[in-house]
Amino acid sequence: DVKVTQSSRYLVKRTGEKVFLECVQDMDHENMFWYRQDPGLGLRLIYFSYDVKMKEKGDIPEGYSVSREKKERFSLILESASTNQTSMYLCASRPKGWKTGNEQFFGPGTRLTVL
Amino acid sequence: QQQVKQSPQSLIVQKGGIPIINCAYENTAFDYFPWYQQFPGKGPALLIAIRPDVSEKKEGRFTISFNKSAKQFSLHIMDSQPGDSATYFCAASRDVAGGTSYGKLTFGQGTILTVHP
Repeated sequence: DVKVTQSSRYLVKRTGEKVFLECVQDMDHENMFWYRQDPGLGLRLIYFSYDVKMKEKGDIPEGYSVSREKKERFSLILESASTNQTSMYLCASRPKGWKTGNEQFFGPGTRLTVL
Repeated sequence: QQQVKQSPQSLIVQKGGIPIINCAYENTAFDYFPWYQQFPGKGPALLIAIRPDVSEKKEGRFTISFNKSAKQFSLHIMDSQPGDSATYFCAASRDVAGGTSYGKLTFGQGTILTVHP
């Protein structure tokens, strides 16, 4: 079974703090994604990575950055946390290509509260 | 810019009912339409998916109906059970084999389904 793990289930931070959210997948997937989930807005893509050290902006990248130094690990960074970044953050991965369809495998999420 | 619109936002049915969740998309380049199911405390998981070359796909009690001309697709859950209570997301992506969008998914807003016993 594909396993995607996220470093924290719940996180509380103060405005202005630098926040790191970590995601690790164990299936050697090339593509990894960070989403935020908000009620009534669904899942919105923040950033994704298609290879080590490669990244592309998603639909809502402002206020975020990412790092992918190793294939299995994809980090989301909030440079200076703000209250409007309070949300559920979901990491996902999928293999390259379409041999296995386009299923993305999600982690359990990190609920971040910024005070 | 929401490219996939999902309705209703919430839905309550009795056990055995047939909830229907609808989605509409704008981008005609989309060629893959999955539905994800999310239980509380868990990440979303793929439930069923369809490509636009067919109008319907069934997997167990779950059916996707697809209308390419109307740019709409829907999820039907036959004989719904309390265990089906979850949040459901439709999504769309544009990427056939060899494409470069890396399988990015555009999600709808989600529907919270409650099935009463």
